[in-house]
Amino acid sequence: GDSVTQMEGPVTLSEEAFLTINCTYTATGYPSLFWYVQYPGEGLQLLLKATKADDKGSNKGFEATYRKETTSFHLEKGSVQVSDSAVYFCALSDYSAGGTSYGKLTFGQGTILTVHP
Amino acid sequence: DAGVTQSPTHLIKTRGQHVTLRCSPISGHKSVSWYQQVLGQGPQFIFQYYEKEERGRGNFPDRFSARQFPNYSSELNVNALLLGDSALYLCASSLARALARTVTGELFFGEGSRLTVL
Repeated sequence: GDSVTQMEGPVTLSEEAFLTINCTYTATGYPSLFWYVQYPGEGLQLLLKATKADDKGSNKGFEATYRKETTSFHLEKGSVQVSDSAVYFCALSDYSAGGTSYGKLTFGQGTILTVHP
Repeated sequence: DAGVTQSPTHLIKTRGQHVTLRCSPISGHKSVSWYQQVLGQGPQFIFQYYEKEERGRGNFPDRFSARQFPNYSSELNVNALLLGDSALYLCASSLARALARTVTGELFFGEGSRLTVL
């Protein structure tokens, strides 16, 4: 079945440091890949997505590139801020050959990011 | 515009009891999905409903059931609660039944209902 594996956390960084959170996946179909973020006391929010191989998703300074050859979708940011402190989830939505799924996302276990001033 | 709203936000039950969680999707969204998030883990898919019909089910026992109403709101019911059912239950809504590759589909999540089973 589908699965998503994220790097072990938590991750603690100083402000302006470079961030990488690793994500690898296993899927039988043609997955789309997502990063969701969960800020303290808030619901999950879509951060970025990529729907096919070599696509790059980007938002709020975060980037991730869909690498089919390595089945990876690593999240990066060049300079983190204290406000980026949150839990980050990598997820996939697997598509049948017909190109649809049914609102089902498969999530990784999440990575807690703490950024200190 | 109101986002996805869930109620109650917190509740405590004892083993063997029953619980009903409620979700109102974003206006215009016809699809509702339910997820269980155990502490320290990622959300796990329970159900998806679209146009009042179940369209997908995750690997959860029959104690879990749900339904969708004509106004597209939804309820998640869990019977015979176990300690292991303690979790954050998330509801998500989307415009379409299917997150088609060609559609800029997105799931919008509520803040969740935190259930503690004692």
